[in-house]
Amino acid sequence: AQSVAQPEDQVNVAEGNPLTVKCTYSVSGNPYLFWYVQYPNRGLQFLLKYITGDNLVKGSYGFEAEFNKSQTSFHLKKPSALVSDSALYFCAVRTGGITDKLIFGTGTRLQVFP
Amino acid sequence: NAGVTQTPKFRILKIGQSMTLQCTQDMNHNYMYWYRQDPGMGLKLIYYSVGAGITDKGEVPNGYNVSRSTTEDFPLRLELAAPSQTSVYFCASSIRQGATEAFFGQGTRLTVV
Repeated sequence: AQSVAQPEDQVNVAEGNPLTVKCTYSVSGNPYLFWYVQYPNRGLQFLLKYITGDNLVKGSYGFEAEFNKSQTSFHLKKPSALVSDSALYFCAVRTGGITDKLIFGTGTRLQVFP
Repeated sequence: NAGVTQTPKFRILKIGQSMTLQCTQDMNHNYMYWYRQDPGMGLKLIYYSVGAGITDKGEVPNGYNVSRSTTEDFPLRLELAAPSQTSVYFCASSIRQGATEAFFGQGTRLTVV
């Protein structure tokens, strides 16, 4: 079955330090992978996606993600965290095919301290 | 640009009552989804639709029904509300399958008492 795992419930990082939010996936075939961010009392906003090609994907607000096929991972990264990056982050995979579904991980809360 | 619009934003239901959560999108997207979000559980797919007249169950469909008579609208129906359906519900849409991202509504916070 297609699935996404986010092993950390919360990640704490000091402002200015690099951040990583982890995601691993399990799909058959080539994966379409996404990162979304959710601010309090808001819907989800798209950050970036991996379809094919370059393993390092750049997205909104200075975020990037690294696709690693051998480790089935798609970790979200940012070189220098901001307090305003504090939010809930979701990794997701689309299963593709006729019965296409968008499956989400459980989410990771990122807390950036000043 | 309205995008995906959900109504109502908040609702309190009594056990056994019914209601419909409305979702409409103005982007001419074929794919639409309903999710529920519970603390620490991420988003669980309730139902989805790949086009008008076509719907299918997701991971947690029990207690819910959907219909898709038009491309724009994808209402979610709760027939007999139960406390376990207390959650935040999100509707989303995407232009097609595979590599395209989904756009989300602002959510409906439902409490069943």
